[in-house]
Amino acid sequence: DAGITQSPRHKVTETGTPVTLRCHQTENHRYMYWYRQDPGHGLRLIHYSYGVKDTDKGEVSDGYSVSRSKTEDFLLTLESATSSQTSVYFCAISVSTEYGYTFGSGTRLTVV
Amino acid sequence: DAKTTQPNSMESNEEEPVHLPCNHSTISGTDYIHWYRQLPSQGPEYVIHGLTSNVNNRMASLAIAEDRKSSTLILHRATLRDAAVYYCGPRGFGNEKLTFGTGTRLTIIP
Repeated sequence: DAGITQSPRHKVTETGTPVTLRCHQTENHRYMYWYRQDPGHGLRLIHYSYGVKDTDKGEVSDGYSVSRSKTEDFLLTLESATSSQTSVYFCAISVSTEYGYTFGSGTRLTVV
Repeated sequence: DAKTTQPNSMESNEEEPVHLPCNHSTISGTDYIHWYRQLPSQGPEYVIHGLTSNVNNRMASLAIAEDRKSSTLILHRATLRDAAVYYCGPRGFGNEKLTFGTGTRLTIIP
């Protein structure tokens, strides 16, 4: 892998509980992204970051928050998990516009 | 945001060329066009991207229409390992957001 790790790989949680997913990179890339993938919807952007403490919303950001206190870590928090947030979550990194994204292996989250 | 459409599925014979289309009719003038592929139980993998000119790399070629409202990913000689879901989409210059289409599932027939 190109220096991007997601944790945990799998998680089952109960409705109403907070959940935090972690994306860690060793590439020192500026841009980091969180996507969710659901059948019939493909990959949808939740939040992204363009630097430490610089984040912005994507197309499906409701119910999610993010933080980036260090270049290498981008955290995605589900403040109060709902069954509709059952999904596979992918983190991606990129150095600049001229280059492609590198994706992590994903976190499969089940909210029961 | 740009809307991106792709056919749901395509089939191709092994060792034949494959042309995967993508329509991005609302793309902005500075958006790059990106292509990724995803194998089962894996994260998407970068394939190629371009702005205006056609692009080639070791994996594929990208043909971009003159008006930039569509593009085509070309696999010159499909192998069984090319069976995957292929996603395209524009990446915004400045906001750096990449918006994916819903993907084309490519099946390779031996």
